[in-house]
Amino acid sequence: NAGVTQTPKFQVLKTGQSMTLQCAQDMNHEYMSWYRQDPGMGLRLIHYSVGAGITDQGEVPNGYNVSRSTTEDFPLRLLSAAPSQTSVYFCASRYSGSYGYTFGSGTRLTVV
Amino acid sequence: SQQGEEDPQALSIQEGENATMNCSYKTSINNLQWYRQNSGRGLVHLILIRSNEREKHSGRLRVTLDTSKKSSSLLITASRAADTASYFCATDAIKGAAGNKLTFGGGTRVLVKP
Repeated sequence: NAGVTQTPKFQVLKTGQSMTLQCAQDMNHEYMSWYRQDPGMGLRLIHYSVGAGITDQGEVPNGYNVSRSTTEDFPLRLLSAAPSQTSVYFCASRYSGSYGYTFGSGTRLTVV
Repeated sequence: SQQGEEDPQALSIQEGENATMNCSYKTSINNLQWYRQNSGRGLVHLILIRSNEREKHSGRLRVTLDTSKKSSSLLITASRAADTASYFCATDAIKGAAGNKLTFGGGTRVLVKP
C-alpha cells in the first residue's frame, strides 16, 4: 500500500520553463488536492478535485493547471515557472467518508 | 490568507512534560483538524473535532474546541523525543465544498529534548 506518491522529490527549473508534478494514490480516494508550503505561511491550497473529471481552484491557482482523468492521478502543471513558485508542493487525498487527508512526501521546487 | 493562526510559533520542552499549542480562526467552521509534520516529510493527520464537539481524545492527544472564541487547543501529554515536529491546525470552513478547502495555520514547531 503505497499511499500518495509524488514525483519528482526535487526539481530545479529555469524561469519560463514548464513542468508537471506527478501525484498518484492507490487508495481509491475521491478527493485530491494540491498545496504549496512556504516558510512561515503554512500550506495554501492551489487546486482540488472531488472526482475524475472535476477540478476547482483553491486559494492560489494562478500559474498552475490541473486535470483529473483518472481517480488515481492528479498532476499539477506549471505553465511558465517563476521564482515566486519556489516552494514545497504537497499532494493530498481523502476518502469521501472521512475528512482527514493523506499527504505525499512532497516535491521541493526551486525556480532560478 | 490564513484562517488558522497558531500560538506559540515554537515550543521547547523536556521529555515527559506536556505540550500545549493553540489555534485561532476567523470564520465559522464545519470541523477543525490537527496535523503533524516531521522535518522534510509530508503531513500526517492526527485528530479531527467537529463544530458540535467540545473535546476529543486520541491516545496522548487531547483537543478542545471553543466555537464562541473561535479557538482550539492541542495537548500532547507525556511528550517523547519522537513528538518533535511541527503541528498544524486546519479548518474546514466552506459548507458548500466541505472538506475540500482546508485552510492551514502557520504551525507550531515543537522540540522535545531527551
